[in-house]
Amino acid sequence: QKEVEQNSGPLSVPEGAIASLNCTYSDRGSQSFFWYRQYSGKSPELIMSIYSNGDKEDGRFTAQLNKASQYVSLLIRDSQPSDSATYLCAANNAGNMLTFGGGTRLMVKP
Amino acid sequence: DTAVSQTPKYLVTQMGNDKSIKCEQNLGHDTMYWYKQDSKKFLKIMFSYNNKELIINETVPNRFSPKSPDKAHLNLHINSLELGDSAVYFCASTKTGTGPTEQYFGPGTRLTVT
Repeated sequence: QKEVEQNSGPLSVPEGAIASLNCTYSDRGSQSFFWYRQYSGKSPELIMSIYSNGDKEDGRFTAQLNKASQYVSLLIRDSQPSDSATYLCAANNAGNMLTFGGGTRLMVKP
Repeated sequence: DTAVSQTPKYLVTQMGNDKSIKCEQNLGHDTMYWYKQDSKKFLKIMFSYNNKELIINETVPNRFSPKSPDKAHLNLHINSLELGDSAVYFCASTKTGTGPTEQYFGPGTRLTVT
């Protein structure tokens, strides 16, 4: 069974710190990976996608992919209280369907 | 506004009823999806549909059926509703092609079966 695993958290970081969110996946056939942010009661919002090994940066966010280790991570620099949410990692499968992890709840404390 | 929209936002109904949830996207995407998010917040794919192919997650009961009148709409019809169907249902869409196929989600429909 194709799985995506995340630590459920909560991950608590002080304001201004770097938040590091991690994810592992089981399907070596997955080519693309996605990070979504979901606020309570809201829909998932796409933050970043990555499909090449290495780092991809977008503003305060950096996604990292290591296909050999089947590992994806998201770094949030200068964390803000507004970043407090659940972060969902997803991997694509056949038919471009996404398999989601259970999410990591991030709490940024002022 | 360009977006993925769903109606209704909330749906409360009794066991055994049949109901539909509607989804529309005006992003020009060619593939649409339905996801279910249960009380533990686990988000799970139900269907993937474009104008050529329907892919069904094998765990989805056949009481659930997607219906697409055109490329911009994908409705979800549920027969004989059960208590366990209570969840938030999200529609999503994407444009397939080279590179990552980024999916964009609608606001969700919270279904409560009593």
